[in-house]
Amino acid sequence: QVTLRESGPALVKPTQTLTLTCTFSGFSLSTNGMCVSWVRQPPGKALEWLALIDWDDDKYYSTSLKTRLTISKDTSKNQVVLTMTNMDPVDTATYYCAHMVGHMGVFDYWGQGTLVTVSS
Amino acid sequence: QSALTQPASVSGSPGQSITISCTGTSSDVGGYNFVSWYQQHPGKAPKLMISEVSNRPSGISNRFSGSKSGNTASLTISGLQAEDEADYYCSSYTSSSTVVFGGGTKLTVL
Repeated sequence: QVTLRESGPALVKPTQTLTLTCTFSGFSLSTNGMCVSWVRQPPGKALEWLALIDWDDDKYYSTSLKTRLTISKDTSKNQVVLTMTNMDPVDTATYYCAHMVGHMGVFDYWGQGTLVTVSS
Repeated sequence: QSALTQPASVSGSPGQSITISCTGTSSDVGGYNFVSWYQQHPGKAPKLMISEVSNRPSGISNRFSGSKSGNTASLTISGLQAEDEADYYCSSYTSSSTVVFGGGTKLTVL
């Protein structure tokens, strides 16, 4: 079955760069149609889509955050990495990675999420 | 890309039906049949309940149904049960090849 797990620092300082890793199993990101996205959720607030990478290494980013985001994949390790530069306290959130088939925004499997707090 | 518009809260009694709306634009909800709905219980990851406007994934109760008219999609839950109390989010594919979520709706089962 498909599983995903996020990992990364629980605490980052303002202006630092955040690096999160999504380690998955049950599918290959080299298979046609497979995609992985990152979604975040500030405490008590709504979900926000951040980025997507597909089987063909095409990448898509949130319009409002694209200058700060980079998504990449390591197919051999079954991992997807998200970096976000210039972190700010407003970026405090639970960050989820999620599996998709195709680009059309259907997140059928989710990781458990990892809470990242931005504070000095 | 602005978030899709959902009511902040809805409520209903056990056994009743409720509907949650999700309003976007012709560049997202109205332009594509790629609206999904997610259920999220406190402290848990979201769970896919409806995809492509009205498709129920395997294992999802047929008490959950989706529809769309113009720029507004809807999630209907019939025969409300206590376990349905949760936050619900809609999402849509957009003309910018991105995904946009709604602001979320808190469902209270009275």
